[in-house]
Amino acid sequence: DTGVSQDPRHKITKRGQNVTFRCDPISEHNRLYWYRQTLGQGPEFLTYFQNEAQLEKSRLLSDRFSAERPKGSFSTLEIQRTEQGDSAMYLCASTHRDETEAFFGQGTRLTVV
Amino acid sequence: AQSVTQLDSQVPVFEEAPVELRCNYSSSVSVYLFWYVQYPNQGLQLLLKYLSGSTLVKGINGFEAEFNKSQTSFHLRKPSVHISDTAEYFCAVSEAGGFKTIFGAGTRLFVKA
Repeated sequence: DTGVSQDPRHKITKRGQNVTFRCDPISEHNRLYWYRQTLGQGPEFLTYFQNEAQLEKSRLLSDRFSAERPKGSFSTLEIQRTEQGDSAMYLCASTHRDETEAFFGQGTRLTVV
Repeated sequence: AQSVTQLDSQVPVFEEAPVELRCNYSSSVSVYLFWYVQYPNQGLQLLLKYLSGSTLVKGINGFEAEFNKSQTSFHLRKPSVHISDTAEYFCAVSEAGGFKTIFGAGTRLFVKA
């Protein structure tokens, strides 16, 4: 297992378009997190899954954002009708139930033009 | 709710000099504390963590941190830095036994030759 994998690494899209990102966590990690990181800031929590259940969503996650983890393995984060303010690095992390360390992917950098 | 304040946004230091990156947190409950490092266009990598026990925690790459409950601090130190330590460093806190990690805004360490 090579760690948390995110795809794509970079995405440039026009304002108003929809985008979808994928995260493959480390095998057997039942917890999966999405964070957003803007320039010069630390990661901000977006949402959290335990297995396939989405247990918490930040108020940062507007109704244009939706995340799924249908089989408790990989997860997708979709942004509809993108805005320039959505430009950021989107980070995925996973942990095992009995661990405290979160393992991060390399992120997907979104640029909305 | 927890929060994290990293007191310095940038820390320039000469190679082989010691460095301290400061972090203060606030929480009304017991917490876990973390330091992560982020290299350009990469995800976050855990340097060290404090869960309980000894207040002096040693991590990777020669870094260590000391948990001070009375001062609600978790400062990161290294006795002699290298050029390769140039990166962004994030202090983070989570509620003990909880699932959500809150990050500080980051400190950019710049090591000069």
